Amino acid sequence: SQQGEEDPQALSIQEGENATMNCSYKTSINNLQWYRQNSGRGLVHLILIRSNEREKHSGRLRVTLDTSKKSSSLLITASRAADTASYFCATDSEYGNKLVFGAGTILRVKS
Amino acid sequence: DTEVTQTPKHLVMGMTNKKSLKCEQHMGHRAMYWYKQKAKKPPELMFVYSYEKLSINESVPSRFSPECPNSSLLNLHLHALQPEDSALYLCASRRGTGALLNTEAFFGQGTRLTVV
Repeated sequence: SQQGEEDPQALSIQEGENATMNCSYKTSINNLQWYRQNSGRGLVHLILIRSNEREKHSGRLRVTLDTSKKSSSLLITASRAADTASYFCATDSEYGNKLVFGAGTILRVKS
Repeated sequence: DTEVTQTPKHLVMGMTNKKSLKCEQHMGHRAMYWYKQKAKKPPELMFVYSYEKLSINESVPSRFSPECPNSSLLNLHLHALQPEDSALYLCASRRGTGALLNTEAFFGQGTRLTVV
């Protein structure tokens, strides 16, 4: 099962620019998480935002959550070539351990 | 140790073969997951084990058979697979459920499976 959509599907920016990715979901959630995946291997957790939180920061990352619109955004500031990867949001359902991923955004940062 | 170890890294199997994928973690996590990921697609949830019991099966065909022998180990037994089952199979673990639900998942590097 897949939770929702992410946009854009692909994003290409210059180093130093900011990158914004959006995620929408369909069901009630306990929390929403963002992950990064390099070259089709394992996923790395970036940040978790709980359903009662609206914004969270971690280093160059800023995540917002709007539960009324069932959407979230991930902002990466001052991007670097090393940020080139696929980014996925994932939602934790209210009722258990069901961590479901959105469609993902492929980010390319050009140096 | 914050690692989830998956073996093998690559596997090529025929449609009549039986093989197993293995996943191990020593973080004391009590929730473990199997995901299937096709190229340029998101990970697709297959199974969730919670405290060594199967808690979620996302209507996965019976040719995939999960097993959780103990709290550190998760297996995925494969039998009579089809070429369309070729994908990256990812294992993940999390601390637990309930009050411990708001935690991140740790992923292994995956097993790239090719069915010929």
